Amino acid sequence: QVQLQESGPGLVKPSQTLSLTCTVSGGSISSDSYYWTWIRQPAGKGPEWIGRIYSSGSTNYNPSLESRVTMSVDTSKNQFSLRLSSVTAADTAVYYCAREGRSWYFLDYWGQGSLVTVSS
Amino acid sequence: DIQMTQSPSTLSASVGDRVTITCRASQSISRYLNWYQQKPGRPPKLLIYAASSLQSGVPSRFSGSGSGTDFTLTISSLQPEDFATYYCQQSYSAPMYAFGQGTKLEIK
Repeated sequence: QVQLQESGPGLVKPSQTLSLTCTVSGGSISSDSYYWTWIRQPAGKGPEWIGRIYSSGSTNYNPSLESRVTMSVDTSKNQFSLRLSSVTAADTAVYYCAREGRSWYFLDYWGQGSLVTVSS
Repeated sequence: DIQMTQSPSTLSASVGDRVTITCRASQSISRYLNWYQQKPGRPPKLLIYAASSLQSGVPSRFSGSGSGTDFTLTISSLQPEDFATYYCQQSYSAPMYAFGQGTKLEIK
């Protein structure tokens, strides 16, 4: 059974950088069948796609966040990471990592979510 | 950008009811439409992918249909555990996805 777990600080100051890591267990992040994705969800709102990374390191980002987002992958640790710079209160949300199939692009496994609050 | 519109935003129903949630895309997305269920404090759970394929482990009372721009999620006989928020997601324009605004299914 594939499991994903987010980790990182729950509180980030405005203008600083949000950093989260997703650890994958029960499956290899190097599989050529999947992308590894970050989604966020502000309280009371729908999910928003942030971006995804492939095991090779190739990335795709949401154009609205692209100038501030960096994703990376560490296949030796079966982890992938998110960095979001210059955060504001609007970036406060639950951040999820998820696995995305490369056929119909559905998100079939999700982490439990990590609440990140941007506040001084 | 492809916009997704779900209706209704809120739905009140009783255990045993048959309910239908609709999702409409602003342009044709073929069958690249997925449905998720989300309960408070939990991540979304995949129910249906490719418009009508049931994800492994999901009860057969859930079904999806549609293609092009109009899609439906049907729950044939509501169970107490089905009261949640449901989201559609188009993956036609992958990697740039769009989720619907959600339908909250409440107990009548």
